[in-house]
Formats: sequence, C-alpha cells, structure tokens
Amino acid sequence: QKEVEQNSGPLSVPEGAIASLNCTYSDRGSQSFFWYRQYSGKSPELIMFIYSNGDKEDGRFTAQLNKASQYVSLLIRDSQPSDSATYLCAVNKGYGGATNKLIFGTGTLLAVQP
Amino acid sequence: DTEVTQTPKHLVMGMTNKKSLKCEQHMGHRAMYWYKQKAKKPPELMFVYSYEKLSINESVPSRFSPECPNSSLLNLHLHALQPEDSALYLCASSPLFGETQYFGPGTRLLVL
Repeated sequence: QKEVEQNSGPLSVPEGAIASLNCTYSDRGSQSFFWYRQYSGKSPELIMFIYSNGDKEDGRFTAQLNKASQYVSLLIRDSQPSDSATYLCAVNKGYGGATNKLIFGTGTLLAVQP
Repeated sequence: DTEVTQTPKHLVMGMTNKKSLKCEQHMGHRAMYWYKQKAKKPPELMFVYSYEKLSINESVPSRFSPECPNSSLLNLHLHALQPEDSALYLCASSPLFGETQYFGPGTRLLVL
C-alpha cells in the first residue's frame, strides 16, 4: 500500500462545476496535509494546507480532513479552465527528524472543460 | 513574499561536464530542499538542509553534491551525470524543517 494515494485521473468537469479531488494516507499519525497545484512544465504551487479535522476554506478552494478515515480532499468551486492542472496531495508525518519530509501522492490530473 | 528563485531555468550538459544549480530565498527560511521530478511523477526528495547543515540525503549518487554556503543559498553541483538524470530539479524552502514548503520554478536539466 502506498503511503499517499490519489486517483491519477484525468478528472473531467465542466466549467462552473465543483471539482472534488481525493487523497488517502496510510500513516494514522500523520500531522499535516498539503495540496499543491502543478501546471504542465511548471513547479508545484501551494494551494492549501490543513492540520485539523474539518474544513478549511480559501476563496474557491476548500480542504477537508478526516483523520479517522485517513482522508483529505480538495474541493474547487466554480471550476475554471485555468484550474486545469495536476493536483498533488502531500502528507507530513511530523514525528521529527527524517520523518518530517513530505510524502507526495502521484497527483490527479484535472481537466476543466469550457 | 514567498519567492524562491532558481538559476538557470534550463541546462544542457554532456556526461563529462561539471555544472551547478543555484537556489536562493530571502524569506528567512531555515530549511531548504532539493527535489528531482521526472515527467508525470511526483517530486522525489534528494537532500534537506536545516540551519545550513545537511539533515537528509536520500541515498543520492555522489555525482550530485549539495552545498549550503549560507542560510539564503543552496547549490547543487553536478558532475559526470547520466542521461537518466535528465529531469526537472526543484528547490524548496520552509520556515523550519517540516513546515510548509514553497517551491522555486525549477531547472530543467537535459544530459546528453
């Protein structure tokens, strides 16, 4: 079992719809969770981070964390063609030392259709 | 300001060349990272520097040699690379090791 799992997609949604991106992780002790957006040929760009159970909203983006289910998601409301990119979920175990490194999922490719 | 800069943007080198990649941040971050990313794969951690000391080396071949001259600067020295080392090399920084990481734009490296 991979430490961080994402559906590779592509996830295709029409413009204006809600895009829902999902991520599961295997280590129950994981502490912090990140979503990065990466356009083709570019570097990852931080979208959201979340540490506590529940929802965290920032503009059109909402991150949701459920530690009991070991599940983190990213909702994008009013999806735009410019949101088309690969979304990387990353998890930090936070135990200190070498376990503080980010573990990335393989990413989900989102395609927003005009 | 969450800017990490990297130079050069693109680099083509032969297998016998020696070159260096440079990364700079002026956010006062005390942790800096080198990642390698191949096409359609997630970033793969290579090295971590925390307070200018090498904290993690992910068993990277010695043809890659990192250096952290000061708290704002991180270099990656390249020597005798192989074609399979062609990739996007990403630098990142975070306030402290383990905190939110911010990536630079990357250097796209092609080894011929």
